[in-house]
Amino acid sequence: QVQLQESGPGLLKPSQTLSLTCTVSRGFINNGVYYWSWIRQKSGGGLEWIGYIFPNGATTYSTSLESRLSMSLDTSRSQFSLKLSSVTVADTAVYYCARSGLSPSTVDAWGRGTKVIVSS
Amino acid sequence: QSALTQPASVSGSPGQSITLSCTGTSSDIGAYNFVSWYQQFPDKAPKLIIYDVSRRPSGISDRFSGSKSGNTASLTISGLQAEDEAAYYCTSYSSTSPWVFGEGTKFTVL
Repeated sequence: QVQLQESGPGLLKPSQTLSLTCTVSRGFINNGVYYWSWIRQKSGGGLEWIGYIFPNGATTYSTSLESRLSMSLDTSRSQFSLKLSSVTVADTAVYYCARSGLSPSTVDAWGRGTKVIVSS
Repeated sequence: QSALTQPASVSGSPGQSITLSCTGTSSDIGAYNFVSWYQQFPDKAPKLIIYDVSRRPSGISDRFSGSKSGNTASLTISGLQAEDEAAYYCTSYSSTSPWVFGEGTKFTVL
């Protein structure tokens, strides 16, 4: 059973860059079947898709975040990462990394989530 | 991207069946059979319970079923149990944004 684990700072100040890493274990990150997503959830709110990255490094981002967003993949470490620049308090959320590929827009494996707070 | 529309809250009694709705547009639910449903307990990650409108992943109870009509998808939970009390989110592939989520329904067992 694949496992995903997010890591990164839990507290940032406005205007800083959020960097998160997801480590994938018990599964191949570049087997060509799956692609890797980031999804966030604000307190008491719904889920928001951030973007995903394919095994070849191609990315697709949410239009609302793409100007501040970049994702990368490190297959040697079985990790994929997210960088979100110029964060504001509106970026405060639980960030999940996830596996997709069973079907378009379907996540069949989730990390446990990491809480990110943006505060001055 | 615009979210899919779900009722904020729904309740039901043990043993009953309930249906949760998820309304989109002709650019997402109406255009593709790529609707998924997730169950989420407080402070836990979501869990996939339905994908491709009506398919269940391995290990998911057959008390959960999905369907679609036009721009609206539905999740039916039959034989309600206390353990079904959770938030439920729908999502769909979309031509305007690859991925759009519903706002979520908090389901309460009476």
